[in-house]
Amino acid sequence: QQQVKQSPQSLIVQKGGISIINCAYENTAFDYFPWYQQFPGKGPALLIAIRPDVSEKKEGRFTISFNKSAKQFSLHIMDSQPGDSATYFCAATYRIKAAGNKLTFGGGTRVLVKP
Amino acid sequence: GAVVSQHPSWVICKSGTSVKIECRSLDFQATTMFWYRQFPKQSLMLMATSNEGSKATYEQGVEKDKFLINHASLTLSTLTVTSAHPEDSSFYICSARDPSGPFTDTQYFGPGTRLTVL
Repeated sequence: QQQVKQSPQSLIVQKGGISIINCAYENTAFDYFPWYQQFPGKGPALLIAIRPDVSEKKEGRFTISFNKSAKQFSLHIMDSQPGDSATYFCAATYRIKAAGNKLTFGGGTRVLVKP
Repeated sequence: GAVVSQHPSWVICKSGTSVKIECRSLDFQATTMFWYRQFPKQSLMLMATSNEGSKATYEQGVEKDKFLINHASLTLSTLTVTSAHPEDSSFYICSARDPSGPFTDTQYFGPGTRLTVL
């Protein structure tokens, strides 16, 4: 019930193209969905996050789309740049104190943007 | 945004020795910190949740006596890998939750520590 499934595992996109990463979850108690970007040898960095009371959130070239009924959310990277080449993780958590706000991570997507 | 640091960034040790990794929240007070382990090309695996002033909560399958966690202050948590063996070689990452931030559930990650046990 805690699993978050992420797809695809890897993605190659041309510079200027759109990268789309999808995640699906089972636990309807999840109420916070962040995306993290990780470069090799570095820790994950928070990219953008959303709560289920909105269907879309945009920050610069990054957009989260959220479908509560389908229990799915996705990350769109518009005008992809070579510097966006990294591994992206979706995650989910909920506020119940007993759970300690633990993040449940997807498996990750390695994105390569070709110049 | 909130900044979390880790020290050291990499460490090489001999089998059987202990290694301590520090995690600090630099510009906020973190009542809760988390320790993760990450193998190459894999996702992050939560090892334990560290609460200031209390014992850490370990995930199933994580040896408490091997991975000692201390959260002595609101800005510092330490992970000590005791009697390290080559199979403990991994990338260890901490995160901290900023309870005063716009998203109180947000975890901010440190840069990670690469541990290699010879």
